[in-house]
Amino acid sequence: NAGVTQTPKFQVLKTGQSMTLQCAQDMNHNSMYWYRQDPGMGLRLIYYSASEGTTDKGEVPNGYNVSRLNKREFSLRLESAAPSQTSVYFCASRPNYGYTFGSGTRLTVV
Amino acid sequence: QQQVKQSPQSLIVQKGGISIINCAYENTAFDYFPWYQQFPGKGPALLIAIRPDVSEKKEGRFTISFNKSAKQFSLHIMDSQPGDSATYFCAASRGSGNTGKLIFGQGTTLQVKP
Repeated sequence: NAGVTQTPKFQVLKTGQSMTLQCAQDMNHNSMYWYRQDPGMGLRLIYYSASEGTTDKGEVPNGYNVSRLNKREFSLRLESAAPSQTSVYFCASRPNYGYTFGSGTRLTVV
Repeated sequence: QQQVKQSPQSLIVQKGGISIINCAYENTAFDYFPWYQQFPGKGPALLIAIRPDVSEKKEGRFTISFNKSAKQFSLHIMDSQPGDSATYFCAASRGSGNTGKLIFGQGTTLQVKP
């Protein structure tokens, strides 16, 4: 099925561990985004990539890094996880205006 | 820095009633205002969107009303159904030629009682 695929769906990390969240889209979209969703705060932009080879910070980039591996893939890395990074992470891509979101990664940092 | 403010945080409506969710924005450069619907365990999905050159857009039971001078827009769900129970997010962005970053409101959890 066409769309945005995120892996893993669930993850529990210990404080200080690292991990990479994977995202891939098969719609040939140029722009890709990483958001985090927390109760009462909506979705906040972490990083985005307007096109292959470019990345830029969003509203809440601290503690994260990203890689736009190719046009399809955009990964999010936590180098040293902290409890404040417990959240649901969504990847999205877009052609012009409308975003297509993945189904999310629920991350718990203990 | 919250550029899009959404209210109410939660809403309970009887089946057949009208659900109304409001949003206010600050940046007058915004030119695209979508609403997203999210069911538990799923990613948000585009529901309906409007540009500031029109005051209203209707798609089935869903209507966006837009007030450019007040910098406000709202979602109206007519004849609300239990299947409409979900979290709704308003959002805003500036230009497709730009990065098109969507700024989201805080979300509204809607419960439609049968």
